Amino acid sequence: QVQVVQSGTEVKKPEASVKVSCKVSGYRLTQISMHWVRQTPGRGLEWMGGFDPEDGETIIAQKFQGRVTMTEDTSADTAYMHLIRLRPDDTAVYYCAIGTETPLEFDFWGQGTLVTVSS
Amino acid sequence: NFRLTQPQSVSESPGKTVTISCTRSSGSIASYSVQWYQQRPGSSPTTVIFGDNERPSEVPDRFSGSVDSSSNSASLTISGLKTEDEADYYCQSYDNTNHVVFGGGTKLTVL
Repeated sequence: QVQVVQSGTEVKKPEASVKVSCKVSGYRLTQISMHWVRQTPGRGLEWMGGFDPEDGETIIAQKFQGRVTMTEDTSADTAYMHLIRLRPDDTAVYYCAIGTETPLEFDFWGQGTLVTVSS
Repeated sequence: NFRLTQPQSVSESPGKTVTISCTRSSGSIASYSVQWYQQRPGSSPTTVIFGDNERPSEVPDRFSGSVDSSSNSASLTISGLKTEDEADYYCQSYDNTNHVVFGGGTKLTVL
């Protein structure tokens, strides 16, 4: 049975950074494609980046380049998303989403992590 | 990057059929698989359609997906609407650089 469990709610000040974790059970991280998606209040889903099946590296959406780092601890089957230089408009629910069969089709999602950026 | 455009909202009565469209701005809709996700308030998205027209085993066959190359769009059709189908629905696809894009989402009201 697959479980995807994220870290808890965060409250940060502008210019701070946040690191969200995502632990996967039922699959090894090396078997899946890990991605990060955010959802701002009352708005839609926005892909931030994730596993690139072309070369096995991480691909980051242009909007977030220079501010986000995505890493994995394969020994703990846990992925991390680190976002720096936070702004109030980064206030959102951050999801990890995984593809188990096809890299860019997300069949399991974490429960979401609310990150609030406010002075 | 390309865009996926969905209607902001649709509404229909219980028992009826509704279709939600998802139009791709550039690149062929048929070249990259389209997924559809259902998101109820306060919950994470779940897959209702993957690979253009495949359903996860737990999704009822009232849900179906299709792709139309002539309009460069994908569609999600829900038949025999139930009040429990009321949710936001998002289409998703990608491009030849493996960048992922979501549609803006469609709020389905069943009234």
